[in-house]
Amino acid sequence: QSALAQPPSASGAPGQRVTISCSGSTSNIGRNSVYWYQQLPGTAPKLLIYRNDRRPSGVPARFSGSKTGTAASLDISGLRPEDEADYSCAAWDDSLRGPVFGGGTKLTV
Amino acid sequence: QVQLVQSGAEVRKPGASVKVSCKTSGYIFIDYYIHWVRQAPGLGLEWMGWMSPNGVDTNFAQKFQGRVTLTRDTSTSTAYMELSSLRADDSARYYCARLAVAGNLDDHWGQGTLVTVSS
Repeated sequence: QSALAQPPSASGAPGQRVTISCSGSTSNIGRNSVYWYQQLPGTAPKLLIYRNDRRPSGVPARFSGSKTGTAASLDISGLRPEDEADYSCAAWDDSLRGPVFGGGTKLTV
Repeated sequence: QVQLVQSGAEVRKPGASVKVSCKTSGYIFIDYYIHWVRQAPGLGLEWMGWMSPNGVDTNFAQKFQGRVTLTRDTSTSTAYMELSSLRADDSARYYCARLAVAGNLDDHWGQGTLVTVSS
């Protein structure tokens, strides 16, 4: 069981908007920034969102993140077929002195 | 550019050990933590541990305490992860990474090494 809770699946039609949630605790999301990863089958995770709501260069503005208290969410607007992937949240955990990850959400477009 | 290149797939029998290498380039090896993360088939990412820039300090997730050893060779900028007493549920893809979530300005992962534990 993952330290951060995510729904196992999400779906949306092309052009629609989808939101993926991530729930943690005071020792991780409550005190530290949230990061989001996109992972295509058989490949390493790719950083999508860092420090709650910032996008690395090259990541489309269709992807946005937010955090409130011990929860966070990833919004994807204008869904495209190529957005079909697994999305995972992550945060540093002060108790573990290491990162914790969500179990991943499989997005179907 | 920053690169982390891992060793190839491994097959081991239950009870054996496996050692995965992670050769880095494009940055000063001794300036950054190296983390190890694994992902079992169909499951989420699971952090295993880290080695600090000084090469002395390590920290592991509790479930891996006593079974994981992290080492490095600064002459080749290579990090190593050895997992012992392998079980079938250790079958997974193992990644080395320089993680943004750990406070870095950027995020880099190796391509992953598939370890299969089977009798």
